Amino acid sequence: DAKTTQPPSMDCAEGRAANLPCNHSTISGNEYVYWYRQIHSQGPQYIIHGLKNNETNEMASLIITEDRKSSTLILPHATLRDTAVYYCIVFNSGGSNYKLTFGKGTLLTVNP
Amino acid sequence: DTAVSQTPKYLVTQMGNDKSIKCEQNLGHDTMYWYKQDSKKFLKIMFSYNNKELIINETVPNRFSPKSPDKAHLNLHINSLELGDSAVYFCASSQVLGARYTFGSGTRLTVV
Repeated sequence: DAKTTQPPSMDCAEGRAANLPCNHSTISGNEYVYWYRQIHSQGPQYIIHGLKNNETNEMASLIITEDRKSSTLILPHATLRDTAVYYCIVFNSGGSNYKLTFGKGTLLTVNP
Repeated sequence: DTAVSQTPKYLVTQMGNDKSIKCEQNLGHDTMYWYKQDSKKFLKIMFSYNNKELIINETVPNRFSPKSPDKAHLNLHINSLELGDSAVYFCASSQVLGARYTFGSGTRLTVV
């Protein structure tokens, strides 16, 4: 699976949009971009995933660049409860290796 | 109903003891996992079972033995516990070819 690079930490003001970047320059054509988050003392939580088109759900939006070498997770109106570590993961769902590999992620702190 | 439930939530035990952590999922998923999160917060996969069959076994001491009596359950038994086994252990499940994992809330194991 391709590796990802994320900033170790970011801050965001409550009510503003949080834009979390991720670089995955070695991503291959059949690999998806997944985002998870882990709120303190809880298990990781799935947020969103995409292949090449932008995606939106009730939690967030995912913007993937045309060359697929980077992506941005957008939380449109961050709340204090969005403070968590956010993980960007590249995953080959068609492969035989059925495991998500977590990196260090980005600690997003939403400030009042 | 909790989708992925782990018991116990907390476990404090002495070195050398044997202990088990249980995991059950009611999502109808085919694949279950055990992850370990150490004090530095790195999440690492340990094992994965698909339909009761072991498919991923990372470099884990053989003191750790997973057991899957059916596809809804994946238990983790640990023999001769060591101080370094202290961590939070997360169970997760997914459909075989997907990466939308659902995680449990974790079991905090403390070995004294």
